[in-house]
Amino acid sequence: ETGVTQTPRHLVMGMTNKKSLKCEQHLGHNAMYWYKQSAKKPLELMFVYNFKEQTENNSVPSRFSPECPNSSHLFLHLHTLQPEDSALYLCASSQDWSADYNEQFFGPGTRLTVL
Amino acid sequence: GQNIDQPTEMTATEGAIVQINCTYQTSGFNGLFWYQQHAGEAPTFLSYNVLDGLEEKGRFSSFLSRSKGYSYLLLKELQMKDSASYLCAVVDSNYQLIWGAGTKLIIKP
Repeated sequence: ETGVTQTPRHLVMGMTNKKSLKCEQHLGHNAMYWYKQSAKKPLELMFVYNFKEQTENNSVPSRFSPECPNSSHLFLHLHTLQPEDSALYLCASSQDWSADYNEQFFGPGTRLTVL
Repeated sequence: GQNIDQPTEMTATEGAIVQINCTYQTSGFNGLFWYQQHAGEAPTFLSYNVLDGLEEKGRFSSFLSRSKGYSYLLLKELQMKDSASYLCAVVDSNYQLIWGAGTKLIIKP
């Protein structure tokens, strides 16, 4: 148990569906992250929020839309996804966003399959 | 560009020792992390190195050479539960984590 929870754990959706991924951290951290993890590839940073403000958007397609209502919750809204978006989506949090010692705590991920 | 290289997969025997290497070329260096990730689970923190040398923590040790852009994770007295992926990540000059693709470690009895 890392103190970061994600729901759902598994999601299957069609290309025309709209769904949302939820992340919650119970660690009192100020920064939260969305990553995409594909097989045999490095973790891809998608979005970073620091004190609820988005600080990074690494050229992510607009079909992925993040939302951070407070420092403890993070959402990833999905719409009109493509099959190549199938992957494990990991949420993480850390005490601060910009620091040399920036240990990130990860949730278990949502395994997303787009049909 | 920034790059982290690790072997894709390694196999070792229960009770033995294994060394997982990581080489990096990044814009600046502000530390290096190792994480462990069991299949279907969250990555979890193993170690952090920012100065050259060896950091030991129980059965696991991590080594860093900044001049060579090189680190390794050493696992001793391997147990079946050590079967997992091991992720190397470097903190660059912008304090962003640059991740390797991970090394899948398979432990055989």
